[in-house]
Amino acid sequence: SAVISQKPSRDICQRGTSLTIQCQVDSQVTMMFWYRQQPGQSLTLIATANQGSEATYESGFVIDKFPISRPNLTFSTLTVSNMSPEDSSIYLCSVSTGPSGNTIYFGEGSWLTVV
Amino acid sequence: GDSVTQMEGPVTLSEEAFLTINCTYTATGYPSLFWYVQYPGEGLQLLLKATKADDKGSNKGFEATYRKETTSFHLEKGSVQVSDSAVYFCALSGAGGTSYGKLTFGQGTILTVHP
Repeated sequence: SAVISQKPSRDICQRGTSLTIQCQVDSQVTMMFWYRQQPGQSLTLIATANQGSEATYESGFVIDKFPISRPNLTFSTLTVSNMSPEDSSIYLCSVSTGPSGNTIYFGEGSWLTVV
Repeated sequence: GDSVTQMEGPVTLSEEAFLTINCTYTATGYPSLFWYVQYPGEGLQLLLKATKADDKGSNKGFEATYRKETTSFHLEKGSVQVSDSAVYFCALSGAGGTSYGKLTFGQGTILTVHP
């Protein structure tokens, strides 16, 4: 199993500022992902955090807005840059393990409100 | 690309009623299928999963069977409780390659159970 800790768990942010979310896993994992859940909506994959190289972004998400770091196999950060109220969401870190990658764990999420 | 379609919600039931939440998917190959639950104000929890055709996932009285012929993974529970009130998400993880570990979610179904 994998236990994922995210920080901050909640925050209220000012428009135009940036916030970095941390994701710490209690074991080494190859695959880490970041998702966004906008209010009342489902989850959408932002990007795959690649260790030692640039993240792979999904359609509609760009590095300038959501820069991601992955310095090692247990840690990643997601920054939400130049925030607007539309960025108010839950941001979730996820890891997958196992030979088929279908054992998937989520952090508790970081609940951001932009005012 | 991969997609997941859940039944329209919200769903409102009386305690001890039978629950079905429909989920169908579109994917190439043999994806893994999941049901996640999100209780009010909380993060995402894995409810059950199935990784191959005809597998049945089960947990906490909930069941779902992977039906390849109908591309479905319907969630059922014989007798719901007030504590089951939550949002339920159907999701799939593609069969390897660039889909490894990534989840595609349905839109979510809000379940409210009244005493």
